[in-house]
Amino acid sequence: SQTIHQWPATLVQPVGSPLSLECTVEGTSNPNLYWYRQAAGRGLQLLFYSVGIGQISSEVPQNLSASRPQDRQFILSSKKLLLSDSGFYLCAWSTLKPGNIQYFGAGTRLSVL
Amino acid sequence: GEDVEQSLFLSVREGDSSVINCTYTDSSSTYLYWYKQEPGAGLQLLTYIFSNMDMKQDQRLTVLLNKKDKHLSLRIADTQTGDSAIYFCAETFISGGYNKLIFGAGTRLAVHP
Repeated sequence: SQTIHQWPATLVQPVGSPLSLECTVEGTSNPNLYWYRQAAGRGLQLLFYSVGIGQISSEVPQNLSASRPQDRQFILSSKKLLLSDSGFYLCAWSTLKPGNIQYFGAGTRLSVL
Repeated sequence: GEDVEQSLFLSVREGDSSVINCTYTDSSSTYLYWYKQEPGAGLQLLTYIFSNMDMKQDQRLTVLLNKKDKHLSLRIADTQTGDSAIYFCAETFISGGYNKLIFGAGTRLAVHP
């Protein structure tokens, strides 16, 4: 069966510090991968998606970047965090099977202070 | 642009039925989804419906789709305290040959004795 792992679960970082959040998927190959951000009491905003190694599409211009160094690894990064980067970050994967269902990780709660 | 709207809050008594409503804008959506998010957790797929269907039932869950009015609803029968969560409606949106999900802001369901 397929599983998705995200870490860390929570993170408190000072303004101006770097960020690296990691997401890995097991049990499937060549998944589509996604990073979302969820602000408090809000819906999900798609940040990045990837259809293959090294292929990253950005949805919203921002202070963040994403990379996919391996087929089932997706990394969200920042060189210098802003206060506005605080939120709940979710990684998801999907395949091209009927339904195009996206399956989500448990999320990372990021607080920038 | 593409948009998904939901009421933000619903309160029901334990044992009653809950109905969560959603409207969407993209008439070309092939699939529509309901996800559940418990506090501090990722999103869990509850059910999805193909756009050529009017209804789908899965145990206590019933999904109704009115394509003419672009209206989707989720009915939970015999609502339990464990059903307390945020429920997200989502539609598919094809952009650049890529299938994305557009989420509503979520409906917070509170179940009281």
